[in-house]
Amino acid sequence: SQTIHQWPATLVQPVGSPLSLECTVEGTSNPNLYWYRQAAGRGLQLLFYSVGIGQISSEVPQNLSASRPQDRQFILSSKKLLLSDSGFYLCAWSVRQGYGYTFGSGTRLTVV
Amino acid sequence: RKEVEQDPGPFNVPEGATVAFNCTYSNSASQSFFWYRQDCRKEPKLLMSVYSSGNEDGRFTAQLNRASQYISLLIRDSKLSDSATYLCVVVPSGGYNKLIFGAGTRLAVHP
Repeated sequence: SQTIHQWPATLVQPVGSPLSLECTVEGTSNPNLYWYRQAAGRGLQLLFYSVGIGQISSEVPQNLSASRPQDRQFILSSKKLLLSDSGFYLCAWSVRQGYGYTFGSGTRLTVV
Repeated sequence: RKEVEQDPGPFNVPEGATVAFNCTYSNSASQSFFWYRQDCRKEPKLLMSVYSSGNEDGRFTAQLNRASQYISLLIRDSKLSDSATYLCVVVPSGGYNKLIFGAGTRLAVHP
């Protein structure tokens, strides 16, 4: 069966520090991968998606970036965090068009 | 106009009640629809897909009206464990399976 792992679960980082969140999927090949952010009391905002190794598309301009160095690995990064980067970051995968996503358990990031 | 709009609630209902959530979407070419459930401080989880013919899963019934660009979720015989936020989700046509999430409707079921 397919599983998705995301870590860490909670993170507190100072303003201006770097960020690296990792997500891995097991039990499937060539998944579509996604990074979403949910600000407190708000809906989910798509940040990045990837349909293959090295293929990244950005939905919202910001100081975040994403990379997909391996088929089932998706990384979200920042060189310098802002207070506005605080939120609940969720990685998700899907098989193909028309199918729902499966989300990882999320990382709750607080920038202080 | 938001791509997916939901009444934020909260809906406060007693156990055993029937409750209905509505959702409207702006892109008439949207091709797939889902309801997700999100518990407090947890990830969203797929509740059910929504088909044009309507579909039912136990106490949950989902309906789609393409002409009105309207989706609904009906929960019968509400349980305490149904308390959560329900997210309406729309997939536009074409592209890479991008899901557009509504902001969610909060349901609180009380004894």
